[in-house]
Amino acid sequence: GAVVSQHPSRVICKSGTSVKIECRSLDFQATTMFWYRQFPKKSLMLMATSNEGSKATYEQGVEKDKFLINHASLTLSTLTVTSAHPEDSSFYICSAFDSFGREQYFGPGTRLTVT
Amino acid sequence: AQKITQTQPGMFVQEKEAVTLDCTYDTSDPSYGLFWYKQPSSGEMIFLIYQGSYDQQNATEGRYSLNFQKARKSANLVISASQLGDSAMYFCAMREGVPTDSGGGADGLTFGKGTHLIIQP
Repeated sequence: GAVVSQHPSRVICKSGTSVKIECRSLDFQATTMFWYRQFPKKSLMLMATSNEGSKATYEQGVEKDKFLINHASLTLSTLTVTSAHPEDSSFYICSAFDSFGREQYFGPGTRLTVT
Repeated sequence: AQKITQTQPGMFVQEKEAVTLDCTYDTSDPSYGLFWYKQPSSGEMIFLIYQGSYDQQNATEGRYSLNFQKARKSANLVISASQLGDSAMYFCAMREGVPTDSGGGADGLTFGKGTHLIIQP
């Protein structure tokens, strides 16, 4: 099946710094990728839709200046958490549809801890 | 109103028994897709099964089958012959709209709150 990778898998940063998370589709091209956030023991919440070559679409309540998304190519989307604070600590997961557009595959996730 | 409802926060099941995980959904879009994912303690989301709103037959993938009752807006996951390795969180999710062949043109997934399934030996 389709493979989506994320890097890094874990990151610890200090409050006030920025962190970039990469999401790659390894064996297919993805016009659209999605970013989700998951708090401990909670469900996934869609943060934004990343569109190749255009601006991301953010869900209500998600600060676009806080969570910068860039989808510069058909295989790479990046999420940058700017000026991170402890409340940004979470599990961030990206996903993309496969080439047939029916199944959505998830990356392994990135656990962000802001101290 | 919640778009995806999973009413079972946790379930204990004996190994080798069949398991049914409940999921109901709410949408006014005639085109939608329903997904089930497994999330073990490692955190990765593992795709299990997909059902399109226009699919005539219930989806099956190995030991997984989806009991799709469109009129009731129900999409229960059935796991036959459960195994210890099936212990995990299970999420039902829905996508409204139909993606293009390249995956564009559709929304991201809306997830239910999940069911924590524990298989006992």
